[in-house]
Amino acid sequence: AQSVTQLGSHVSVSEGALVLLRCNYSSSVPPYLFWYVQYPNQGLQLLLKYTSAATLVKGINGFEAEFKKSETSFHLTKPSAHMSDAAEYFCAVNPGLRGSQGNLIFGKGTKLSVKP
Amino acid sequence: KAGVTQTPRYLIKTRGQQVTLSCSPISGHRSVSWYQQTPGQGLQFLFEYFSETQRNKGNFPGRFSGRQFSNSRSEMNVSTLELGDSALYLCASSHRTGAADYGYTFGSGTRLTVV
Repeated sequence: AQSVTQLGSHVSVSEGALVLLRCNYSSSVPPYLFWYVQYPNQGLQLLLKYTSAATLVKGINGFEAEFKKSETSFHLTKPSAHMSDAAEYFCAVNPGLRGSQGNLIFGKGTKLSVKP
Repeated sequence: KAGVTQTPRYLIKTRGQQVTLSCSPISGHRSVSWYQQTPGQGLQFLFEYFSETQRNKGNFPGRFSGRQFSNSRSEMNVSTLELGDSALYLCASSHRTGAADYGYTFGSGTRLTVV
């Protein structure tokens, strides 16, 4: 069964520092992978998605993620953190072959704090 | 273009009652999925509807049910509410079922509190 593991439930960085949020997946088929962000009292906003095209995926707000099949990883990075990046981030996988299922399996989430 | 609209935003119900939550997808989207978000269990898939048919279901008891109307609007119902049903319920819409390549757009959710 497919699953997603996010390492670190809380990550704290200083403003201007590198953001690195880790996500590892397990999937028996080529996965479709996603990163979502959730601000307090809000729904989920799609940051970026991997659907088997380029392995380095660029998203909104300066975020990017690299799909590494050998490491079964899809870590999220941003070169320079901004105060507005403070939120909770979720990695997700679509469990079907080439995204064929109509649902997502989410990791437990990582709360990002940004210190001034 | 309007996003995914969920109503109401907040609800307080008593144990044993039932509740109905509503979701209006983005215009043109025919797939609607529901998720439950709690601090302990995280985000869990409830079910997905496409063209008024339930296409996929998560591992929840039969007290949780849903339906989709011909205009793609969806409702979910929880009967005989339990304290553990307190959660943020999120709705997501997409063009079609199995639409991972298109992605899913989420609403802001309905915060249900059971007392």
